[in-house]
Amino acid sequence: QVQLQESGPGLVKPSETLSLTCAVSGDPINSASSYWTWIRQPAGKGLEWIGRVYTSGSTNYNPSLARRVIISIDTSKKQFSLKVNSVTAADTAVYYCARESPLRGSDYFYMDVWGKGTPVIVSS
Amino acid sequence: QSALTQPRSVSGSLGQSVTISCIGSSSDVGAYDYVSWYQRHPGEAPKVIIYDVNKRPSGVPNRFSGSKFGYRASLTISGLQAEDEADYFCYSFAGSYYDVIFGGGTKLTVL
Repeated sequence: QVQLQESGPGLVKPSETLSLTCAVSGDPINSASSYWTWIRQPAGKGLEWIGRVYTSGSTNYNPSLARRVIISIDTSKKQFSLKVNSVTAADTAVYYCARESPLRGSDYFYMDVWGKGTPVIVSS
Repeated sequence: QSALTQPRSVSGSLGQSVTISCIGSSSDVGAYDYVSWYQRHPGEAPKVIIYDVNKRPSGVPNRFSGSKFGYRASLTISGLQAEDEADYFCYSFAGSYYDVIFGGGTKLTVL
């Protein structure tokens, strides 16, 4: 059973860097049939896709966040990470990591396994 | 991309059916059949319950069904059970590898 677990500081000061890690279990993480993604949800708002990393280390980012975000993967540690630079109160949200993988009978990579999410507050 | 539009809340009685709508545009829901629905109980990880508009992953009861007409996708839950009380949100592909879009989420209350 694939499981994902987010970890990282729950409080970050404005202008600093938010850093989160997602630990992967039950999946080799280096499979070509899996992509690794980050999503966030501010309180009272909808989910926002942040970006993804492939097992090769290549990345895709939400254009609205691309200048401040770095996602990386460490296959030896079976984890991938998120960094958001120069945070403001608008970055306060619950952050989720997820796996994207094709579901049975589909050719599309859906977010089929999620972590429980970790809340991050940006405040001084 | 604007978020897909969902009602903030819906309710239904035990045993009844409810339908949750997800309204997009010609660039997302209306253009692609890559629509999925997720269920999230408080404190738990979201779970995919519908994908490709109307397919169910193994283990998801057939009480859950999905459909699409034009720009509107729908999730129908029949024979409501207490454990169906949760947040539900929709998702659609929107044309490129960085264009993925979610609904705002709907809180389902089972009366």
